Amino acid sequence: SAVISQKPSRDICQRGTSLTIQCQVDSQVTMMFWYRQQPGQSLTLIATANQGSEATYESGFVIDKFPISRPNLTFSTLTVSNMSPEDSSIYLCSVGDTNTGELFFGEGSRLTVL
Amino acid sequence: AQSVAQPEDQVNVAEGNPLTVKCTYSVSGNPYLFWYVQYPNRGLQFLLKYITGDNLVKGSYGFEAEFNKSQTSFHLKKPSALVSDSALYFCAVRDETGGFKTIFGAGTRLFVKA
Repeated sequence: SAVISQKPSRDICQRGTSLTIQCQVDSQVTMMFWYRQQPGQSLTLIATANQGSEATYESGFVIDKFPISRPNLTFSTLTVSNMSPEDSSIYLCSVGDTNTGELFFGEGSRLTVL
Repeated sequence: AQSVAQPEDQVNVAEGNPLTVKCTYSVSGNPYLFWYVQYPNRGLQFLLKYITGDNLVKGSYGFEAEFNKSQTSFHLKKPSALVSDSALYFCAVRDETGGFKTIFGAGTRLFVKA
């Protein structure tokens, strides 16, 4: 199984600012995924981040709002830009195990936007 | 399009009693089905999966789930609930052609009373 570390674990941000979340994996992985979990709701896939190519965004999510970097096979960042209170969520990094088909998740980054 | 439904927002059960958390799904091809658990302020932890083979799959912490193709269901079960099982449970699905793109249900909160 993969061990995934996310930073920050939580933050309180002001409206209009941007925050970058980091995700570090203890092994090399091809695909990394970013999910959002809004308060009291399920997980929604934001985008798939492949090393060496542009991230693929799901419907309702755009690169200008959620730019993603994937500089190598063990690291990715997600930026939440120009934040509003509606962006208050838990953001989760995830990787897939191609042998078992499982998804492994980081502990999440809990953002509160005032 | 893939979808997954968890019809119960909350399930209450007494410690020592059997528990069932329901899940139904819809995919265009053969389903890959998963259950994850989320404890407060934590990321998601993998419980079990069905890819192929026996319809009854066993997973972590004594949980099991039964795949029923005709009813398109994948209910989570445990013969004897523990107070420590109290958490948020997510059913998830993807089809065999969708890579790792996984759709999550809304989640069911399980309360086990001592």
